[in-house]
Amino acid sequence: DVKVTQSSRYLVKRTGEKVFLECVQDMDHENMFWYRQDPGLGLRLIYFSYDVKMKEKGDIPEGYSVSREKKERFSLILESASTNQTSMYLCASSSAREGPNNEQFFGPGTRLTVL
Amino acid sequence: AQKVTQAQTEISVVEKEDVTLDCVYETRDTTYYLFWYKQPPSGELVFLIRRNSFDEQNEISGRYSWNFQKSTSSFNFTITASQVVDSAVYFCALSEASHDKIIFGKGTRLHILP
Repeated sequence: DVKVTQSSRYLVKRTGEKVFLECVQDMDHENMFWYRQDPGLGLRLIYFSYDVKMKEKGDIPEGYSVSREKKERFSLILESASTNQTSMYLCASSSAREGPNNEQFFGPGTRLTVL
Repeated sequence: AQKVTQAQTEISVVEKEDVTLDCVYETRDTTYYLFWYKQPPSGELVFLIRRNSFDEQNEISGRYSWNFQKSTSSFNFTITASQVVDSAVYFCALSEASHDKIIFGKGTRLHILP
């Protein structure tokens, strides 16, 4: 069974803290993605990666960075958390080997609250 | 620019009724892919269907069916004989062939009332 796991389901941090959100997939997928989901706004792409050590900005990268040192792991970093980064964060992965634009498989999400 | 519009923010129907979720998309590419995802209360998005722009055949999978019409840039999703377990947020999404990004609509929250 395909699996995308995220390090925490719930996380509470204070303003100014550095926050790491971890995502691991066991499907040997090339592509990995980070989204945030907010009520009324749907899913918005923060960053994505097509390969190890590669990263591309999505639609809302400001205030975030990412790291992909291994194929199976994609980390989202909030350098200095702010209250407007309180949100649900979703990680996803997809295969590039099976052709283009394949379906993405999602993790369970991390609900981050920044106080 | 690519865009997905789900005009229905929230829908409530009584169990066993049929319900259609609307999706309208915009793209300049001639090759693109359309998706539907389901997000149940547990939160994890579940893939339902992927359709490429050259395949306009409607698809049926059990109680689910999809109607793809390029002439109106729509990819609507119908649930027949709805059940309480169908209660979820449903997202329509679009991906252009030039890249692997998926653009999601804002979702339609579906309530199936017993």
